[in-house]
Amino acid sequence: AQSVTQLGSHVSVSEGALVLLRCNYSSSVPPYLFWYVQYPNQGLQLLLKYTSAATLVKGINGFEAEFKKSETSFHLTKPSAHMSDAAEYFCAVSLNFGNEKLTFGTGTRLTIIP
Amino acid sequence: SQTIHQWPATLVQPVGSPLSLECTVEGTSNPNLYWYRQAAGRGLQLLFYSVGIGQISSEVPQNLSASRPQDRQFILSSKKLLLSDSGFYLCAWDGATDTQYFGPGTRLTVL
Repeated sequence: AQSVTQLGSHVSVSEGALVLLRCNYSSSVPPYLFWYVQYPNQGLQLLLKYTSAATLVKGINGFEAEFKKSETSFHLTKPSAHMSDAAEYFCAVSLNFGNEKLTFGTGTRLTIIP
Repeated sequence: SQTIHQWPATLVQPVGSPLSLECTVEGTSNPNLYWYRQAAGRGLQLLFYSVGIGQISSEVPQNLSASRPQDRQFILSSKKLLLSDSGFYLCAWDGATDTQYFGPGTRLTVL
């Protein structure tokens, strides 16, 4: 079975500072990994995904994540935080392509300090 | 393009009352459909998923049930709501790609 651990349920960064949200996974086979963002009272929106192609994945809104097999990690980064980045972020893993259930982490709430 | 709808957006129900939440998908056929619940301060919990009409798999035993009467319609129901059923309910779908797409959610408060 697969699992995801998101370190830090709350992260605060200053506007313009680096955003780093941590995600570690556990999987018995090469995983597919996803980051979703959720704004208050809305559904989840896909930020980016890793599906065994390039290990550095670029997503929307200036976010990117790097798959590191040796560290079983898929951390999300953004060089310069913007006020509009304040939201909750979820890391998720599935075992393989299509028709597979996602296993989500517990989420990280990102606060941007003006 | 594909879109996913959920209604109602918000719902306040008394304990012991029935529940029916609806989810519909447009612009695709034979999608996999999912119901998740997000309780306050917690992550997403997969409740049900469906790979076709009338095919429902339950992930967590509870007093909720799901049905898929049509290809692009997924319904979450309960005969008698509990306080612990409060939460944010999200419907999602995926098709030929490896990505799940989520609806806008329904905020359910059980009093």
